Amino acid sequence: NAGVMQNPRHLVRRRGQEARLRCSPMKGHSHVYWYRQLPEEGLKFMVYLQKENIIDESGMPKERFSAEFPKEGPSILRIQQVVRGDSAAYFCASSPAYRGLLSETQYFGPGTRLLVL
Amino acid sequence: EDKVVQSPLSLVVHEGDTVTLNCSYEVTNFRSLLWYKQEKKAPTFLFMLTSSGIEKKSGRLSSILDKKELFSILNITATQTGDSAVYLCAVVQTNAGKSTFGDGTTLTVKP
Repeated sequence: NAGVMQNPRHLVRRRGQEARLRCSPMKGHSHVYWYRQLPEEGLKFMVYLQKENIIDESGMPKERFSAEFPKEGPSILRIQQVVRGDSAAYFCASSPAYRGLLSETQYFGPGTRLLVL
Repeated sequence: EDKVVQSPLSLVVHEGDTVTLNCSYEVTNFRSLLWYKQEKKAPTFLFMLTSSGIEKKSGRLSSILDKKELFSILNITATQTGDSAVYLCAVVQTNAGKSTFGDGTTLTVKP
């Protein structure tokens, strides 16, 4: 049973370009979370999604950032017109919905390290 | 504003020592508290705590939650160099699904 997969593992972009980060949850998991970890800081919640639904995006910057989790395929975190301050590790986590209840335990992917030059 | 505070920020000990890591929180709609260990990669799950006063134990690690005083501790006995990592505390909030993380405690265990 493969764990949470993220790709790419490392991404380098120049200022103004777009960054697309992908996350495939564990098999059977229907909940996906994105977190950002700035250098020397803890994980900060960004967004929580279920298939085709954004449940909570209270941690997402208002501009340039968007996330989706389509019916088929991975979840995508998209950052438009990247700036140097976007350089961080972006972690995706997934959890199952068990009998309609949310399982709090989140399983993390290896992260995507974004570097903006 | 939801807040999770961990202390100390960093700790250096020698193999065989016992350490206690602290996590205090102020959040709306508390549901559970989780501890993670993060080495140079993704966090790995250690414990989930939902009830006060019930100790969770796994080998040399143990953790307990105090919902009245709004804190949790993570104990590691007989530390080993492999315990060196950042230990993260996170609080899950009801219905939202989101977790608020502390900034972590960086533990370094010297041989």
